[in-house]
Amino acid sequence: NAGVTQTPKFRILKIGQSMTLQCTQDMNHNYMYWYRQDPGMGLKLIYYSVGAGITDKGEVPNGYNVSRSTTEDFPLRLELAAPSQTSVYFCASTFSDRGGTEAFFGQGTRLTVV
Amino acid sequence: GENVEQHPSTLSVQEGDSAVIKCTYSDSASNYFPWYKQELGKRPQLIIDIRSNVGEKKDQRIAVTLNKTAKHFSLHITETQPEDSAVYFCAARSGGSYIPTFGRGTSLIVHP
Repeated sequence: NAGVTQTPKFRILKIGQSMTLQCTQDMNHNYMYWYRQDPGMGLKLIYYSVGAGITDKGEVPNGYNVSRSTTEDFPLRLELAAPSQTSVYFCASTFSDRGGTEAFFGQGTRLTVV
Repeated sequence: GENVEQHPSTLSVQEGDSAVIKCTYSDSASNYFPWYKQELGKRPQLIIDIRSNVGEKKDQRIAVTLNKTAKHFSLHITETQPEDSAVYFCAARSGGSYIPTFGRGTSLIVHP
């Protein structure tokens, strides 16, 4: 099991460019999430998905888009990159369980917009 | 939605001392409370969790307590070691939404 795999690890974008952060998991988890982590601000939810074909906005969705065509993949698209999107991005997944289960995280993508 | 407050933001201790990190949550329907450790440049990883039907859980030097009435839970680390230095995140998950909400994190520094 590879767990949650996220690519790329690092990226520098120019203002106005676009990119897609890839995320795939091999644990057959139905829930997947994208978070951004800014210094001292914890993990803020961008988008999440409860299963293939279903996505919903989190706390900070502006400037981002997602899709979930398969259970395994949950890419995050940045259109028209802005300096405010400089951050570390984490993809995560969980199995939906009424009692609660841990979230598994990808290794993160450090994005700088210049 | 759920709101999770975490304190302190920074905690500095001497090796061998105990460390306590506290979190409060707002949604009384939350039923799962995990704690994650994030070492520098790494991904967050689960270190301990507690469910709403349990008041305390211990795993070696780490323990978590939950007070449902007051809606707060705490992480206790005893006999701290330099390798405990990291950022610790608490989270709360509602039984209805399955979406974990994270605290802002506590940077724990253990001085040798």
